[in-house]
Amino acid sequence: DVKVTQSSRYLVKRTGEKVFLECVQDMDHENMFWYRQDPGLGLRLIYFSYDVKMKEKGDIPEGYSVSREKKERFSLILESASTNQTSMYLCASSPGTSGKLEYFGPGTRLTVL
Amino acid sequence: GDSVTQMEGPVTLSEEAFLTINCTYTATGYPSLFWYVQYPGEGLQLLLKATKADDKGSNKGFEATYRKETTSFHLEKGSVQVSDSAVYFCALSPYGGNYKLTFGKGTLLTVNP
Repeated sequence: DVKVTQSSRYLVKRTGEKVFLECVQDMDHENMFWYRQDPGLGLRLIYFSYDVKMKEKGDIPEGYSVSREKKERFSLILESASTNQTSMYLCASSPGTSGKLEYFGPGTRLTVL
Repeated sequence: GDSVTQMEGPVTLSEEAFLTINCTYTATGYPSLFWYVQYPGEGLQLLLKATKADDKGSNKGFEATYRKETTSFHLEKGSVQVSDSAVYFCALSPYGGNYKLTFGKGTLLTVNP
């Protein structure tokens, strides 16, 4: 089974802190994604990566950055956390050429106080 | 740009009732279409998919047919169970190009005994 793991299920941070959310997949997938999920808004794509050291902005990249130094790991960084970044963050991965499926991690619920 | 519109919830049904969750899309060409399910406290799981017109995706008693003439991919189940209570997301992936998904806002389904 494909496994996508996220470093924390719940996280509480203070405004202005630098926050790292880590995601690891064990299926050698080329593509990895970060979404945020908010009630009434569904899932919105923050950033995605189709190869090591490659990244592309999604629909709502402002206030976020990402890092992909190794194929299996994709990190989301909040340089200076703000209260409007309180949300559920979902990581996903998919194979590069065999389809457009995405496999999701369990999510990290981040609260910024 | 691409978009997905699904019926707003919440939807509340009694066990063994018939379920329909409507989904329509806007996209160029021939996108792939998906339904994802999110059970309480978990990440998203792929429920079913269809990659071309008139394809029917099915899984766990759920079905959806790719209707290009009406740009729709409605989710149906003949007899729901309490364990089907979850949030359901319709999504599309564009034909060719990158591999990111565009999601609808989600529909919360509650099934009562």
